[in-house]
Amino acid sequence: GAVVSQHPSWVICKSGTSVKIECRSLDFQATTMFWYRQFPKQSLMLMATSNEGSKATYEQGVEKDKFLINHASLTLSTLTVTSAHPEDSSFYICSAHPGSSGANVLTFGAGSRLTVL
Amino acid sequence: GQNIDQPTEMTATEGAIVQINCTYQTSGFNGLFWYQQHAGEAPTFLSYNVLDGLEEKGRFSSFLSRSKGYSYLLLKELQMKDSASYLCAVRDLPDSWGKLQFGAGTQVVVTP
Repeated sequence: GAVVSQHPSWVICKSGTSVKIECRSLDFQATTMFWYRQFPKQSLMLMATSNEGSKATYEQGVEKDKFLINHASLTLSTLTVTSAHPEDSSFYICSAHPGSSGANVLTFGAGSRLTVL
Repeated sequence: GQNIDQPTEMTATEGAIVQINCTYQTSGFNGLFWYQQHAGEAPTFLSYNVLDGLEEKGRFSSFLSRSKGYSYLLLKELQMKDSASYLCAVRDLPDSWGKLQFGAGTQVVVTP
């Protein structure tokens, strides 16, 4: 089945630094990937849609200059949290679907837990 | 606005049946999903309903009533490994495969 790999699984950083999270589709090509964020005991919230070869589409309220998304190839999207602050501490999850085959099912990565000190 | 409601927590014993309800009010409807999520892990797909009725998949079944904005996930013959959070999600736009609106999740605790 479709597999989405996410790295790192967890990261701790100092306030003011930047952190990059990678999302890879391992056995399929994904022209579109999605980045979600989940705070403890809350629902997953879509942050942005990552489009291969073009700019990401951000959801309302998500700062595009703070959460930089790059989708340079059909199998890799990256999310960079710039100048991270403690309130950015969260569980970040990427997802993708393999296109027309099994298109109804969105596959998620294992998530990246970010802690900003 | 978008609203997806499900209970916060449910407890049941091993071997029992549990039904998790989900009600939704969204601007559009193009399918309802149920995902299972263990703590600190990615959600895994359980079921998908787009038409009214019951979809059965082994020990898990999911029901949808579009007119009532209501779905439930039925877990039968509960096992300890079923202890997890169960997420109800709605796709509200036809062309947005990844734009799912999620509920906050229902934590199911299975006891011996």
